[in-house]
Amino acid sequence: EAQVTQNPRYLITVTGKKLTVTCSQNMNHEYMSWYRQDPGLGLRQIYYSMNVEATDKGDVPEGYKVSRKEKRNFPLILESPSPNQTSLYFCASSLYRGGTGELFFGEGSRLTVL
Amino acid sequence: GQNIDQPTEMTATEGAIVQINCTYQTSGFNGLFWYQQHAGEAPTFLSYNVLDGLEEKGRFSSFLSRSKGYSYLLLKELQMKDSASYLCAVRIPSYNAGNNRKLIWGLGTSLAVNP
Repeated sequence: EAQVTQNPRYLITVTGKKLTVTCSQNMNHEYMSWYRQDPGLGLRQIYYSMNVEATDKGDVPEGYKVSRKEKRNFPLILESPSPNQTSLYFCASSLYRGGTGELFFGEGSRLTVL
Repeated sequence: GQNIDQPTEMTATEGAIVQINCTYQTSGFNGLFWYQQHAGEAPTFLSYNVLDGLEEKGRFSSFLSRSKGYSYLLLKELQMKDSASYLCAVRIPSYNAGNNRKLIWGLGTSLAVNP
């Protein structure tokens, strides 16, 4: 089954404790992206990647890091989480060229930083 | 600047038809998407329009007028399971040549379908 898998789905952590949210897709998509979704602000892009070893900042990259060492994986790293990073996070992937470019989203990771 | 406007909330009755509008002002246009998002879940793709006109897909149809910067999503024969948020997103050209998937997202329209 074609899917994007994120882990963990739910996480409560404390300020400053490094954490990683994993994302994996099995559709051989070149393009992957991280979004956060907050009430009243909608979906905002954090980072994106066009292919292996090719990543770039989205609209709200501060406080986050990413890596793309393999095509299928695109982890999101919070080196020192702060309460303003409490949010619902989505990983998404799509074809880079061809097709409509529709995004396939993971189920989401709800993060609370105390 | 980039801007997408959608109504915040709408209510409709089971079995009825509802139209959700989306207007946009963006620096360029490479296509418009509609996604459905149930509460607490991931957005799922509904439709894509890049040329003017109506695209029909079962109970859902999407219309685009590029000259007016306007789209709508039409949902027919509403069912309770259609209660969700509907997100409009416009793909725009990016000065960063690598990011040909730059999307501008609306805040979504929360649709409540009542029995």
